[in-house]
Amino acid sequence: DTGVSQNPRHKITKRGQNVTFRCDPISEHNRLYWYRQTLGQGPEFLTYFQNEAQLEKSRLLSDRFSAERPKGSFSTLEIQRTEQGDSAMYLCASSSRRAGPNTGELFFGEGSRLTVL
Amino acid sequence: GQQVMQIPQYQHVQEGEDFTTYCNSSTTLSNIQWYKQRPGGHPVFLIQLVKSGEVKKQKRLTFQFGEAKKNSSLHITATQTTDVGTYFCAGNFGNEKLTFGTGTRLTIIP
Repeated sequence: DTGVSQNPRHKITKRGQNVTFRCDPISEHNRLYWYRQTLGQGPEFLTYFQNEAQLEKSRLLSDRFSAERPKGSFSTLEIQRTEQGDSAMYLCASSSRRAGPNTGELFFGEGSRLTVL
Repeated sequence: GQQVMQIPQYQHVQEGEDFTTYCNSSTTLSNIQWYKQRPGGHPVFLIQLVKSGEVKKQKRLTFQFGEAKKNSSLHITATQTTDVGTYFCAGNFGNEKLTFGTGTRLTIIP
């Protein structure tokens, strides 16, 4: 399968614990995005990487959230000291667009669903 | 801020009826994309519109981009059960992120 891969698909954790999600984009896609989606809402932008550089972060991304893409390939999204309000689907997407503004078509993974008890 | 509003939030139609969802932005869009998300699934790209007044068709789906590049619509003719899902518009405002609308959830009554 050459699509965007995310794991784990589901994560249940207790409030205060740390969680980490991994995203493997389509190979050779140099742009990688993280979105968060809650029930009945559209995906909300969290952050974006061009290769290994994190170029934009949403104000939604508090200091408990950190994302990395160390070698410009896979990415991780870590949430520290989880809160119940962090419960959501965390979606990763990649794009083959190489330069200029605008995203191009986004290819989404299946998402990682987080439930904070 | 850069927001994209979408109406209606829900639409229930009899199979065979038409369906339309509308998307509006308060500021000019660079381009607009449409995605479909099946229940339990992830968003899947349908189309991108770039030019003012652009109209594109995909079988029973017709996509329009307004002359002012501030609004867009998706029209489905003669809905089928396979059309069930949530349809999102998503706007580019000339930066590197895509801003999604709230979505229109389409259910089909057989």
